[in-house]
Amino acid sequence: ETGVTQTPRHLVMGMTNKKSLKCEQHLGHNAMYWYKQSAKKPLELMFVYSLEERVENNSVPSRFSPECPNSSHLFLHLHTLQPEDSALYLCASSQDLGAGYTGELFFGEGSRLTVL
Amino acid sequence: AQRVTQPEKLLSVFKGAPVELKCNYSYSGSPELFWYVQYSRQRLQLLLRHISRESIKGFTADLNKGETSFHLKKPFAQEEDSAMYYCALSHGSSNTGKLIFGQGTTLQVKP
Repeated sequence: ETGVTQTPRHLVMGMTNKKSLKCEQHLGHNAMYWYKQSAKKPLELMFVYSLEERVENNSVPSRFSPECPNSSHLFLHLHTLQPEDSALYLCASSQDLGAGYTGELFFGEGSRLTVL
Repeated sequence: AQRVTQPEKLLSVFKGAPVELKCNYSYSGSPELFWYVQYSRQRLQLLLRHISRESIKGFTADLNKGETSFHLKKPFAQEEDSAMYYCALSHGSSNTGKLIFGQGTTLQVKP
């Protein structure tokens, strides 16, 4: 498996459920990202991790909890979500941040989340 | 505030016609601009970045700081160019990796 892999591809959950989205990158990159893509809205950056350390939290509600156990894996833990959280959640990675940042993000195919 | 605006949701042209996908930005510093593309049933991927001054698949984009624009152009559209195109902006040498996207423009190239 190469590139950025996201699981599950589709998830339906109730508002009281707890679930997690998983992202894995096989590119040897040091930075990983969660983006949210809702209908009729631009891609919204949620979180950025660099070398397992969170460097950006873009005012995301606490019902979304990211976890980056190592530079190859990124999770998004979901708890007591709302119907308006239904969206496509995209994971991405890049080689580095700072001086090594090129702006090239490698995206996964996304996890389509539906909250009932 | 940093913002990227793509005024057209849909651009429909005939094969062989010129294409211009518009992108305007607002940013007080020194931005870096990018175009990303998503073909049908494929993942979002980088098309080109202004700093490289490159032409990819016949597409070019020039950063115009006076007009705060970064329009994507191609002189002769092909059917395989049909896709969703996103303009994006980041701070140069970003320490946070914050890439701000526009809402995207669907390009439809008709035969």
